[in-house]
Amino acid sequence: ETGVTQTPRHLVMGMTNKKSLKCEQHLGHNAMYWYKQSAKKPLELMFVYNFKEQTENNSVPSRFSPECPNSSHLFLHLHTLQPEDSALYLCASSQANSNTGELFFGEGSRLTVL
Amino acid sequence: KNQVEQSPQSLIILEGKNCTLQCNYTVSPFSNLRWYKQDTGRGPVSLTIMTFSENTKSNGRYTATLDADTKQSSLHITASQLSDSASYICVVSARRDDKIIFGKGTRLHILP
Repeated sequence: ETGVTQTPRHLVMGMTNKKSLKCEQHLGHNAMYWYKQSAKKPLELMFVYNFKEQTENNSVPSRFSPECPNSSHLFLHLHTLQPEDSALYLCASSQANSNTGELFFGEGSRLTVL
Repeated sequence: KNQVEQSPQSLIILEGKNCTLQCNYTVSPFSNLRWYKQDTGRGPVSLTIMTFSENTKSNGRYTATLDADTKQSSLHITASQLSDSASYICVVSARRDDKIIFGKGTRLHILP
């Protein structure tokens, strides 16, 4: 148990569906992240939130929409996805925006787009 | 360009044997290097962290080394166990702009 909880763990959706991934951290951290992990590729940073403010958006398509209502919760809203978006989506948290801080990852949400 | 390269891509060894995983990086200016273990279907978990001045760090049967001059790191696993089967990811942080660069990982399989 890393203190970062993601739901759902598995999600299958059609290209016209709208769904959301949820992440909650119980570690008192103030930075939260969304990463995409595809087979045989390094983790790709998607979004970073520090103190609820988005500080990084790595040219992610608009069909992915993040939301951070408070420092403990992070959502990733999904709409009109493509089959190539199928991947493991990992949420992480850390203390502040220090790059010496350890990233604590959730178990991930395995997304399959049909 | 900041990059992290890991080798081998995958490795199969017998239970009880030792193994060493490699990580080469071009990240500059260097801040720190972490090794993460990722079990199948789980999120990555940090094993070790090393800064510029550290050249070795142990965590149980895991020992990481760092050569900041050659920009190389290794992760040595002693007396492997079946539970060591996982992906091991090398992650390097840059001091400037707070970038975190991930390697592709090494997939380790331990056979009984």
